[in-house]
Amino acid sequence: DSGVTQTPKHLITATGQRVTLRCSPRSGDLSVYWYQQSLDQGLQFLIQYYNGEERAKGNILERFSAQQFPDLHSELNLSSLELGDSALYFCASSPGWGTGELFFGEGSRLTVL
Amino acid sequence: AQSVTQLGSHVSVSEGALVLLRCNYSSSVPPYLFWYVQYPNQGLQLLLKYTSAATLVKGINGFEAEFKKSETSFHLTKPSAHMRDAAEYFCAVKRETSGSRLTFGEGTQLTVNP
Repeated sequence: DSGVTQTPKHLITATGQRVTLRCSPRSGDLSVYWYQQSLDQGLQFLIQYYNGEERAKGNILERFSAQQFPDLHSELNLSSLELGDSALYFCASSPGWGTGELFFGEGSRLTVL
Repeated sequence: AQSVTQLGSHVSVSEGALVLLRCNYSSSVPPYLFWYVQYPNQGLQLLLKYTSAATLVKGINGFEAEFKKSETSFHLTKPSAHMRDAAEYFCAVKRETSGSRLTFGEGTQLTVNP
């Protein structure tokens, strides 16, 4: 158990819909990272937060947005969903700013039909 | 941009045999390099990391990796494979200024045959 909690674990929805994925980092970790894992793209970095502030964006679509709240949990919002958005979405937290040690949740598997 | 390339998307070994998973990095500055493992239906877990303190890095579960600047490589090895080592392994790199944001390789699926 990494200490990072993601909900929901599985989500099936239709094209055009909007979903919210939630992440609770490990106690005390200020940094949260979102990654997308798919068979054709591998693990892609989406967005990074540190203590409530956005620090970096990766390959995140404009239809996607995220935020980190004062209690440090984070949400990833995916809207106008397309078939190609089907993937495993991971949240990870880090105990320090630059250790490179990420603690991953078990992921939220999104299926868009 | 920094990146890593993993050679071989699938590697199959017999139980007790040497495990060698290859990773080459592309970086204009000394990199921070990592190996992560993903067991089925789980998130990724850190195996080991290189941060320039020593070229041979020992990790968990008997794995180790050697940083070779001349070859721009950071291959992962284990002398004797166990069935429980069957998983997907990812090499990753980060920039010093990027926090813990990692760029991952494509992954190598390790199969261990009895």
